[in-house]
Formats: sequence, C-alpha cells, structure tokens
Amino acid sequence: RKEVEQDPGPFNVPEGATVAFNCTYSNSASQSFFWYRQDCRKEPKLLMSVYSSGNEDGRFTAQLNRASQYISLLIRDSKLSDSATYLCVANTGGFKTIFGAGTRLFVKA
Amino acid sequence: EAGVAQSPRYKIIEKRQSVAFWCNPISGHATLYWYQQILGQGPKLLIQFQNNGVVDDSQLPKDRFSAERLKGVDSTLKIQPAKLEDSAVYLCASSLEGAGQRQENYGYTFGSGTRLTVV
Repeated sequence: RKEVEQDPGPFNVPEGATVAFNCTYSNSASQSFFWYRQDCRKEPKLLMSVYSSGNEDGRFTAQLNRASQYISLLIRDSKLSDSATYLCVANTGGFKTIFGAGTRLFVKA
Repeated sequence: EAGVAQSPRYKIIEKRQSVAFWCNPISGHATLYWYQQILGQGPKLLIQFQNNGVVDDSQLPKDRFSAERLKGVDSTLKIQPAKLEDSAVYLCASSLEGAGQRQENYGYTFGSGTRLTVV
C-alpha cells in the first residue's frame, strides 16, 4: 500500500462546478499535511496547508480527518485556470514527507 | 524574495555518462531537499539536508547518486553512471524548518527543476 494515495483522475468538470479530491495516508504518525498544485511541466507550488480544524482560502477548502486518515480538497466555482495536477502531501515528524502521485483536474468552458 | 535557483534546466546524456545538478535555496532556509519526479508520479525524496548535514538519504541510490551541501547553502546532486531509468525531473526545494524548531506548516518552495533525459 502506498503511504499517500490519491485518485489519479482525471476529473473533467465544467466551469463553475464544485469538485472534491480525497487523499488517504497510511502513517498515523503523520503530523502535517499540504496540498500542492502542479501545472504541466512546472514545479509543484504550495496551494495550502491543511489544519486539523479545516481551513479555507477563497474558493479552496481543505479538511483533515485523522480518524479515517484522509484529507480533502474542495474547489468551488471552478475556473479554467484551476486545471492542474493536485498533489497531496503528508509529513510525519522527523522531517519525513511523502507526496502522493497527484490528481489531474481539467476544467472546461 | 528570490526563489530556489536550479541549473541546468535541461540535460540530455547517454547512459553510463555522469551528470551534475546545482541548486541554490532561498536565503535563510535551513533545509534543502532533492526530489526525483518521474513522469506521471509524485515527487520522491532523494536526500534532505539540514544546514550542511544529511537528515535523510534513505531513498538515494548511493551506488550511483551522491549529493553534498558544503557550507550549508547551495547543493549539488550527481549521478554517475546514469541509467535510462534516471530520466526524470530533479527538483530542489527548500524550507524554513531547522533543528530545534517546532514543525511549522511552511511547506516547501521548489525550484523549476532540471529535466534529465538519459538515452
């Protein structure tokens, strides 16, 4: 079993739609979590951290469920520019950070 | 602030040749990482430095890969000899976390990467 698992997609959604991605992690000792966005042939860029209480940044909402060991990313009112690969990241203390393989999102007009 | 600088951007070499990549992290970032990203996969950590010491190199193929971070600033990653399966993007990243500091949710800042093709 992979330490961080994501549905590879692709998710094809129309503009304005709401889309959600889940990511599961296997190490219960994982302490911090992130979502990164990676555009085609570009480097990953930090989208948002994921806090235990959940957090929101504009159209993006991240949630953490420690009991079920998954994190989620919700994108509301999708824009064409949201098309990208979204990488889930889990960090177990001791500086061990694992990236998921990513979920591809295509937003279409 | 200046980002993470990497060079070269692209490199094509024949198998069994050697290659080196360079990274200069964001000023003041104690921790530096080298990741390998194969097409269609997430980044995989090769080695992590804190200042000039190695924190984790458990996934570094040490028979052919080596890395150093002299003086705790910039770093080089070397592959010798290269294999076809080494074709990937090599990403350098840096973060603020350092020894003795509480783990913060800073995340990483990545450089634009070096795209290596081994033929």
